[in-house]
Amino acid sequence: EAGVTQSPTHLIKTRGQQVTLRCSPISGHTSVYWYQQALGLGLQFLLWYDEGEERNRGNFPPRFSGRQFPNYSSELNVNALELEDSALYLCASSVARGGEQYFGPGTRLTVT
Amino acid sequence: AQTVTQSQPEMSVQEAETVTLSCTYDTSESNYYLFWYKQPPSRQMILVIRQEAYKQQNATENRFSVNFQKAAKSFSLKISDSQLGDTAMYFCAFMNPISSGSARQLTFGSGTQLTVLP
Repeated sequence: EAGVTQSPTHLIKTRGQQVTLRCSPISGHTSVYWYQQALGLGLQFLLWYDEGEERNRGNFPPRFSGRQFPNYSSELNVNALELEDSALYLCASSVARGGEQYFGPGTRLTVT
Repeated sequence: AQTVTQSQPEMSVQEAETVTLSCTYDTSESNYYLFWYKQPPSRQMILVIRQEAYKQQNATENRFSVNFQKAAKSFSLKISDSQLGDTAMYFCAFMNPISSGSARQLTFGSGTQLTVLP
């Protein structure tokens, strides 16, 4: 069974630019979660999508947004990039109302 | 809001020895989930073990076991027969009960870097 996949693996952007990160959940999983792991800040919850709807968001500004597609894959969009957005962005998936979340390998974003 | 505390930023253990990583949490919920994840240098987050708060029996997965003390809000991870491949950052995480309308994201502790020494 294929795990959670994320693309791209790495990317470098300039401050002020926009970026889109992609995530494909494990087959059969309908919930997708996004987390940010920035140096010194630990793992912070960004967004939760389930059945195509945004169910909850963490304490991040509106320039962090996303969506979930009918096939349950998801995108995370970050507008007007700032230096402090440099981080590892992790996507996780779970079955509907399930307990365990399974993580992808992450996307390393560097903002210069 | 729930909080998760890991008070040991770094630990080391000799290969084949046993080590225990500590975690405490704070919640007003009576039913919830607790997890331990490991993040090796590859940065891939790997689920190690899960505990449901309504279950009194401590969870076990091969060499990994937990000591769940609900009243004390403590959830420690014991790794037996430590192996070099166990070297990783270990995160304790909390999740709300699965019920309609509840927030389902994981709340993580700050992590414990475990190094297994040959």
